[in-house]
Amino acid sequence: AQSVTQLDSQVPVFEEAPVELWCNYSSSVSVYLFWYVQYPNQGLQLLLKYLSGSTLVKGINGFEAEFNKSQTSFHLRKPSVHISDTAEYFCAVSDDDSGYALNFGKGTSLLVTP
Amino acid sequence: DADVTQTPRNRITKTGKRIMLECSQTKGHDRMYWYRQDPGLGLRLIYYSFDVKDINKGEISDGYSVSRQAQAKFSLSLESAIPNQTALYFCATSRGSSGSGTGELFFGEGSRLTVL
Repeated sequence: AQSVTQLDSQVPVFEEAPVELWCNYSSSVSVYLFWYVQYPNQGLQLLLKYLSGSTLVKGINGFEAEFNKSQTSFHLRKPSVHISDTAEYFCAVSDDDSGYALNFGKGTSLLVTP
Repeated sequence: DADVTQTPRNRITKTGKRIMLECSQTKGHDRMYWYRQDPGLGLRLIYYSFDVKDINKGEISDGYSVSRQAQAKFSLSLESAIPNQTALYFCATSRGSSGSGTGELFFGEGSRLTVL
């Protein structure tokens, strides 16, 4: 089954600075990749997803991610963060063999300070 | 109203008690899931169901059972709760595959369970 690695458990960043959250997945013939965000005391909501086609995916709240098959990566980026972006971010993967459910990374906590 | 509703949202119980967490959805999705979230461990799959007659174990099913009462309802039971089952539990839904197999999930707001 596919697995996901998010090496950074916490990422502190100043407001209006750029940020990149890393995500690497185990290889497969075809994969579907997702980033979810969890704001404090809330459930998870979808930020963006890669299913096929263009490798640069744009999501909500100004986030984007680039699918890189050769590096098996799907890093999340935002050019300028806001205080309200403080949240937990989860990368997740599924594929044709395990289409029953997503496998999640351990999450990265983004802390944006003034 | 939320598309995926979990009850209760918070529950404190004692070791050995039987606990049921309920999930209902209005999205019309065939697939339903129960995940558990622990700090630093992300989300781990407990059980999933593709339809009313199809229930499967996930990564960490020991100590849990589920019931799919209808397409819209999927409940999780802890037969005899223990302290290391203290966690945040999420129910999620997704469309049937129909060739898509993309796995996009829609989550409830979570049920926080504390076992003393």
